[in-house]
Amino acid sequence: AQSVTQLGSHVSVSEGALVLLRCNYSSSVPPYLFWYVQYPNQGLQLLLKYTTGATLVKGINGFEAEFKKSETSFHLTKPSAHMSDAAEYFCAVSDGDGLTFGKGTHLIIQP
Amino acid sequence: GAGVSQSPSNKVTEKGKDVELRCDPISGHTALYWYRQSLGQGLEFLIYFQGNSAPDKSGLPSDRFSAERTGGSVSTLTIQRTQQEDSAVYLCASSLMDLQNTGELFFGEGSRLTVL
Repeated sequence: AQSVTQLGSHVSVSEGALVLLRCNYSSSVPPYLFWYVQYPNQGLQLLLKYTTGATLVKGINGFEAEFKKSETSFHLTKPSAHMSDAAEYFCAVSDGDGLTFGKGTHLIIQP
Repeated sequence: GAGVSQSPSNKVTEKGKDVELRCDPISGHTALYWYRQSLGQGLEFLIYFQGNSAPDKSGLPSDRFSAERTGGSVSTLTIQRTQQEDSAVYLCASSLMDLQNTGELFFGEGSRLTVL
């Protein structure tokens, strides 16, 4: 069985500040990990993914995430928030046979 | 098409009516998923099709909900006798299930259903 926990349904940061969205997972096998972003009135699009290899993965729009096996975490970060980053972010885990999503974190950017 | 296509993008219906939502997945993708996203909620899994296998219907909330996938491609989600609590965005996603499958899903933009 696999599961995902996203800490914080809402996160608010100031424009230019660090963005940190937390994700912890559980999986019985080495996981594949994903972050998806959903802008208002749109579907989900892939932000970045970890499958194998380098544990620090870079995605679109300056986001990156680090897979930490010892902490079962895959937190999403961005050094400097931009107003256009305001969106819903979903962490997801896969064992290769189905994707399990977290409940999402709504990122609010304060001017 | 290049991406997952869903129609209609918006649907307003009266309580008690039946609705059909359509999903056209990415060509060659053998796996197809339906999710429901209610206001302020996460993604609720509804149903999963994989090739010619029997679909996983474990997420369907009631027997008013059904889905089919014809010819391994286009899928239709049907909601009978709609209720106000069915109002949500219905998202379709597809995936290429190959030997190196990672589970990455490609989503459509969703069908927003409003039941009056």
